[in-house]
Amino acid sequence: GENVEQHPSTLSVQEGDSAVIKCTYSDSASNYFPWYKQELGKGPQLIIDIRSNVGEKKDQRIAVTLNKTAKHFSLHITETQPEDSAVYFCAANQAGTALIFGKGTTLSVSS
Amino acid sequence: DTGVSQNPRHKITKRGQNVTFRCDPISEHNRLYWYRQTLGQGPEFLTYFQNEAQLEKSRLLSDRFSAERPKGSFSTLEIQRTEQGDSAMYLCASSLLGTYSHNEQFFGPGTRLTVL
Repeated sequence: GENVEQHPSTLSVQEGDSAVIKCTYSDSASNYFPWYKQELGKGPQLIIDIRSNVGEKKDQRIAVTLNKTAKHFSLHITETQPEDSAVYFCAANQAGTALIFGKGTTLSVSS
Repeated sequence: DTGVSQNPRHKITKRGQNVTFRCDPISEHNRLYWYRQTLGQGPEFLTYFQNEAQLEKSRLLSDRFSAERPKGSFSTLEIQRTEQGDSAMYLCASSLLGTYSHNEQFFGPGTRLTVL
């Protein structure tokens, strides 16, 4: 079955800096790769996703890249703000099936 | 609010008791998923439905767990004879599987279960 590894587990940056979180997956059949942001006491919130027919996708300060050959994908947040502080999860699946999540990255943005 | 809703938000129970959680998905979504999340971990898949049919169950879903989606709308997750190891956040998500949809899964706020 699918296995998703996520690094780093914690990340601390200064406000305005960029943050990068990386994930690898094992199942070459996976074709959908979402990223979720989870704040304390809340459910995961979908922030961006990418499909296997696309190499990069951007939405304002957030971008995701996908390397199918190497089976890894990354989340890039530019111009970080204190409100970006949260736990971020990557996930993978074949679209419509169960998501397999990484263990999460706790991002702390200090002002 | 047209998002996924879950009730109750918190449940404290004694070991051996039965508990039931409810999930109301986004109204037009035909797929509904249950996940469990323990502290410091990502959500782990339990089971999912397409309309009223339960399509897949994880090995994590022991015989004490049962889920239903009787009319293809809301779903319930019941845990019988709860154990302390069942303490976790139970998350529900829904998606629209269709030709022109993107199958994004949207999560509810979760039900936090504490078994004493």
